[in-house]
Amino acid sequence: DAGVIQSPRHEVTEMGQEVTLRCKPISGHDYLFWYRQTMMRGLELLIYFNNNVPIDDSGMPEDRFSAKMPNASFSTLKIQPSEPRDSAVYFCASSLRRGVGGYTFGSGTRLTVV
Amino acid sequence: AQSVTQLDSQVPVFEEAPVELRCNYSSSVSVYLFWYVQYPNQGLQLLLKYLSGSTLVESINGFEAEFNKSQTSFHLRKPSVHISDTAEYFCAVHTGGYQKVTFGIGTKLQVIP
Repeated sequence: DAGVIQSPRHEVTEMGQEVTLRCKPISGHDYLFWYRQTMMRGLELLIYFNNNVPIDDSGMPEDRFSAKMPNASFSTLKIQPSEPRDSAVYFCASSLRRGVGGYTFGSGTRLTVV
Repeated sequence: AQSVTQLDSQVPVFEEAPVELRCNYSSSVSVYLFWYVQYPNQGLQLLLKYLSGSTLVESINGFEAEFNKSQTSFHLRKPSVHISDTAEYFCAVHTGGYQKVTFGIGTKLQVIP
């Protein structure tokens, strides 16, 4: 398996623009997580899905953020409109069995909003 | 609720010296414990995990961690570090009743030649 695949690796956009981050989890994993990592706040859980259904989105910072998982092999995280404070590295991770065995992370998307 | 405390934000250590990265957790139920490593510009990778059984767990690259229930700790150790161990290390806790992991803030290990 190629692991968790995220795209793009880097994204630079202007304030106010829409940004879409993409994630392909490991085949067969039934949990998918979106995290944001910054120097100031560390690793923050934004939202997670189980069998394509959002379970907990309490970490989504505000209504500008939305996430979908239309099928077991694809998820998106959208920011509309983007703001400079959204600049961070966004990670997707997937797991089996509620993550008891650990998570597999993607390589991340480094987002810069100017 | 569960929480994780990593006591050191940065740990400099000379090459071939031993190192210990400290991690304490709090939880009212049984826990699963993890250490992840993040190399520059990469995602987190699972280094080792404690699920049950032996309280001493090892990774393939010489790290080990010991689950100490009485002290609620899961410290990571290596007897002799290499330059390639320079990375950020995250301790994490998972309780069976929750469906998500809580991560610590991370400890940056800098190995000095």
